[in-house]
Amino acid sequence: GAGVSQSPSNKVTEKGKDVELRCDPISGHTALYWYRQSLGQGLEFLIYFQGNSAPDKSGLPSDRFSAERTGGSVSTLTIQRTQQEDSAVYLCASSFGLAGGGLNEQFFGPGTRLTVL
Amino acid sequence: AQKVTQAQTEISVVEKEDVTLDCVYETRDTTYYLFWYKQPPSGELVFLIRRNSFDEQNEISGRYSWNFQKSTSSFNFTITASQVVDSAVYFCALSEFTTDSWGKLQFGAGTQVVVTP
Repeated sequence: GAGVSQSPSNKVTEKGKDVELRCDPISGHTALYWYRQSLGQGLEFLIYFQGNSAPDKSGLPSDRFSAERTGGSVSTLTIQRTQQEDSAVYLCASSFGLAGGGLNEQFFGPGTRLTVL
Repeated sequence: AQKVTQAQTEISVVEKEDVTLDCVYETRDTTYYLFWYKQPPSGELVFLIRRNSFDEQNEISGRYSWNFQKSTSSFNFTITASQVVDSAVYFCALSEFTTDSWGKLQFGAGTQVVVTP
């Protein structure tokens, strides 16, 4: 079946502009995660959606970052007033969460490479 | 504080050699999960293995094997008879039960494996 998809694959923007990154998780997966990968910081957790529960936003680096998940499926990560330090690859992952009595593995999308000029 | 330490930044081997990647983790939880992911040059993170804290059995999957030792908080990964296709960055990750978002992955810095013919 289809894996996690993300769009766009690449995004170049100017400092101060807003961007939206999209994630389509694997069908049936209840949990959705956003991470980012940058040279200086490695792989960092950003936000986590599990079913209908309130998302855990503890990893978001500033209030310029927000995310939503509509209808328990597609998610959008929004970065407002982008800064050069926001340049990174933004990765989305999905999983069955805690179904089956254990923690299930996450499947990652190809990522969106964001470059802020 | 870094929860997952992958001390080896890069390992270079010649094809058919064995290579072992070290992963040391830190947690006070008795319930947690450990993961290994592979990131080939294409960039997409590929799930390799999941292990919960109650299962210390070592695992072998083809040329891959994992050694989980709670006594030393280590979850090491060995590639036997390496091949050029094994060239990638390998990440070890931890998910702790008592964190606010049980399920989020805390990644190590990764180990770059370079296999030359």
